[in-house]
Amino acid sequence: NAGVTQTPKFRVLKTGQSMTLLCAQDMNHEYMYWYRQDPGMGLRLIHYSVGEGTTAKGEVPDGYNVSRLKKQNFLLGLESAAPSQTSVYFCASTQPGRVGETQYFGPGTRLLVL
Amino acid sequence: GEDVEQSLFLSVREGDSSVINCTYTDSSSTYLYWYKQEPGAGLQLLTYIFSNMDMKQDQRLTVLLNKKDKHLSLRIADTQTGDSAIYFCAESTNTGFQKLVFGTGTRLLVSP
Repeated sequence: NAGVTQTPKFRVLKTGQSMTLLCAQDMNHEYMYWYRQDPGMGLRLIHYSVGEGTTAKGEVPDGYNVSRLKKQNFLLGLESAAPSQTSVYFCASTQPGRVGETQYFGPGTRLLVL
Repeated sequence: GEDVEQSLFLSVREGDSSVINCTYTDSSSTYLYWYKQEPGAGLQLLTYIFSNMDMKQDQRLTVLLNKKDKHLSLRIADTQTGDSAIYFCAESTNTGFQKLVFGTGTRLLVSP
């Protein structure tokens, strides 16, 4: 049981390049989330999904797209990377209806956009 | 809107108690959480408290909730160097997708 995994762990992009971050969970969770973490700002929600085939915008969705074609995977895409997207990206998942309702986090992807 | 605030930094000596504070604004919060983030790692849930509780104790951790003042604290007894990390409080609001709102994080430094 690996929990939540993220690939890649680290990436450097040039402005204008595109990339996809992959999140996978093996806990059969319905809900999945993408966050970004910036110094002094905590975690901010980019997009989330409440089930396979569904996605919705979070707090800071601009410049990102997501897809949830399979229940266990949640992909975050950057179509044209900008330096402002330099950040650490975390994926999380949870199963609704459980006591505590906590989210389980992946180890993060560090992205540097030059 | 929702807002969660924490002090940025706390330094203690090994063996002392640490108290990390958090204030939040959403009175409809259902659960409040404390997460720990070690360098280069994701967030790990430490403990949580339901909004109708005042206190929760879990080994060296004590969570106090003052719902009237919207104040949450995490006390770590007998702090060890391995407790050095960033600690985030978060509130869960009544939405359809279990939204978490995080504080900015408190960096705890434990010196020998």
